[in-house]
Amino acid sequence: EVQLVESGGGLVQPGRSLKLSCLASGFTFSNYGMNWIRQAPGKGLEWVASISSSSSYIYYADTVKGRFTISRDNAKNTLYLQMTSLRSEDTALYYCATGSYFDYWGQGVMVTVSS
Amino acid sequence: DVVMTQTPVSMSVSLGGQVSISCRSSQSLVHNNGNTYLSWYIQKPSQSPQLLIYKVSNRFSGISDRFSGSGSGTDFTLKISRVEPDDLGVYYCGQGTQYPLTFGSGTKLEIK
Repeated sequence: EVQLVESGGGLVQPGRSLKLSCLASGFTFSNYGMNWIRQAPGKGLEWVASISSSSSYIYYADTVKGRFTISRDNAKNTLYLQMTSLRSEDTALYYCATGSYFDYWGQGVMVTVSS
Repeated sequence: DVVMTQTPVSMSVSLGGQVSISCRSSQSLVHNNGNTYLSWYIQKPSQSPQLLIYKVSNRFSGISDRFSGSGSGTDFTLKISRVEPDDLGVYYCGQGTQYPLTFGSGTKLEIK
């Protein structure tokens, strides 16, 4: 059974940093591209970033480019999202999701940016 | 960026009925490799989204054949037949043809 468990969220002040993790199990993590998608409270889905299986290809939404960094450790079956210079508009539930079609999603981790 | 426009915003359907949700993209979703990367997702209340359909018409593993996807180019449709109580939620279309990846704003399905 595919499982994705996000962690690392919380309340953070504007301008500060936070690092999210997504621990994967139930599939061969190193064979799949991975993604971060977020959902602001009461809003729709917004793609944040994607990384290929070997980290050769990385893409970001313009809203986070230069502030967020997606990475992965295939030995640890873990996906990361390093978030810096956080803004109030980054407040959202952050999901990790597998593959090109977002086949499987985690339960999400909440990030609240507020003073 | 590719803008995904979903209609309607919300709809109500009787159990056993059929619904169609439209998704239009501002640009063709045909990739250079010939594939069309249009997917459909459902987000049930208080749950994470889950994949229903990928590449326009392919049902994901375990998805009922009551769900069907169709379309081409810029116009796509999700049809749900014999609606069941578990079908309620918000449906999103999403494109994976070009970055940045984008989603429609969602269609809320309510059961009468």
